[in-house]
Amino acid sequence: QVRLAESGGGLVKPEGSLRLSCAASGFTFSDSYMSWVRQAPGKGLEWVGYINRNGGTIYYADSVKGRFTLSRDNAKNSLFLQMDSLTAEDTAVYFCATGGGYPYYFDHWGQGTLVTVSS
Amino acid sequence: QSALTQPASVSGAPGQSITISCSGSSRDIGTYDHVSWYVQRPGEAPQLIIFEVNKRPSGISSRFSGSKSGNTASLTISGLQAEDEADYFCCSYGGSSNSPFVFGTATKVTVL
Repeated sequence: QVRLAESGGGLVKPEGSLRLSCAASGFTFSDSYMSWVRQAPGKGLEWVGYINRNGGTIYYADSVKGRFTLSRDNAKNSLFLQMDSLTAEDTAVYFCATGGGYPYYFDHWGQGTLVTVSS
Repeated sequence: QSALTQPASVSGAPGQSITISCSGSSRDIGTYDHVSWYVQRPGEAPQLIIFEVNKRPSGISSRFSGSKSGNTASLTISGLQAEDEADYFCCSYGGSSNSPFVFGTATKVTVL
């Protein structure tokens, strides 16, 4: 079955950087659009960005544009999120999910990885 | 884009039906039929329960149904069960522009 496993979260200081990974299995990764969605503690969901099948089209939320970079390695069935210039407002659980862009929903989700930005 | 507006909480007795509203704008729900709904239980990842306004993924109970009118989408849970107690989020596509996806503010469903 579909499995998405995020990793790379942790504690980072403001203005620092972190790279999240999402290992995919159980489906044809190279055929799937992929997204990152985050959830601040006790808050709702916020879409972060999506990447198309070959990585040629990427969209970001305004809140992360210019600071975060999505990428993927289809040979390794992996999705990445490079996060730079982090602030306290980026503290959240980050989920990777299939979909976004096409189809226009998120049909499978990982369990998430917690990113805490604090001095 | 601003978050879609949902009621903070909705409650009902077992067996009853409840409806959760999701209010957007002409830039998202009012223009696109790309409305989806997710349920999230404590400590778990969200799960898709409705897509494209009113379609259910395989394995999702027919007690869940979706609809849309104008700029507002709705999720109805019929035959409420204790296991339905959770947080529910709506989501809409808003076009190939800044932040094309926007989520709702979340509704806590309580089974009395």
